[in-house]
Amino acid sequence: GAGVSQSPRYKVAKRGQDVALRCDPISGHVSLFWYQQALGQGPEFLTYFQNEAQLDKSGLPSDRFFAERPEGSVSTLKIQRTQQEDSAVYLCASSYISGTLNTEAFFGQGTRLTVV
Amino acid sequence: DQQVKQNSPSLSVQEGRISILNCDYTNSMFDYFLWYKKYPAEGPTFLISISSIKDKNEDGRFTVFLNKSAKHLSLHIVPSQPGDSAVYFCAASGGGFKTIFGAGTRLFVKA
Repeated sequence: GAGVSQSPRYKVAKRGQDVALRCDPISGHVSLFWYQQALGQGPEFLTYFQNEAQLDKSGLPSDRFFAERPEGSVSTLKIQRTQQEDSAVYLCASSYISGTLNTEAFFGQGTRLTVV
Repeated sequence: DQQVKQNSPSLSVQEGRISILNCDYTNSMFDYFLWYKKYPAEGPTFLISISSIKDKNEDGRFTVFLNKSAKHLSLHIVPSQPGDSAVYFCAASGGGFKTIFGAGTRLFVKA
């Protein structure tokens, strides 16, 4: 497809369950970002990949959160032992430019995670 | 500690009039600012940006003004259209890979 694709669109998890969220960036995009958006708030940075290298993971809230991009294309955000405070929309963005979000960065539609 | 603040949760404007959305920041290291527009159930869409070497950037109906001394930026939409109704996010970055977003302002444009 032409845009950033995220799956699943919606995920309901029982507290304590592990989840995996997938991001398919635009083909050829070197930069990939994960953001977390809680209800009524703006997106908050989680992590940044340049190709397969995770250059910044300072926004991951705890060691329960893990992200990977092994071949420099598809990325997976994994959350272990989910808690209710993990309920949010998880947004992925990609860009052909390295560095911060910029004019050529595009967001996916997000995955809405609800932990019950 | 909110480094980017959008103090108006919502704004209502008549079609054809000007919409002004405001944003304040606290970190003087920020040197690049963006505005995003978001419709329900969609990801944010880039709207317009400005770097700290400028004080104004214009793109069609959208103009962003930056006042570095006041650490304030604003987005002007003229004329406002019903399709502009959305949530608008102000965002800022300055070195590194992290972009900081405000909490958003919901704009309603009435026909």
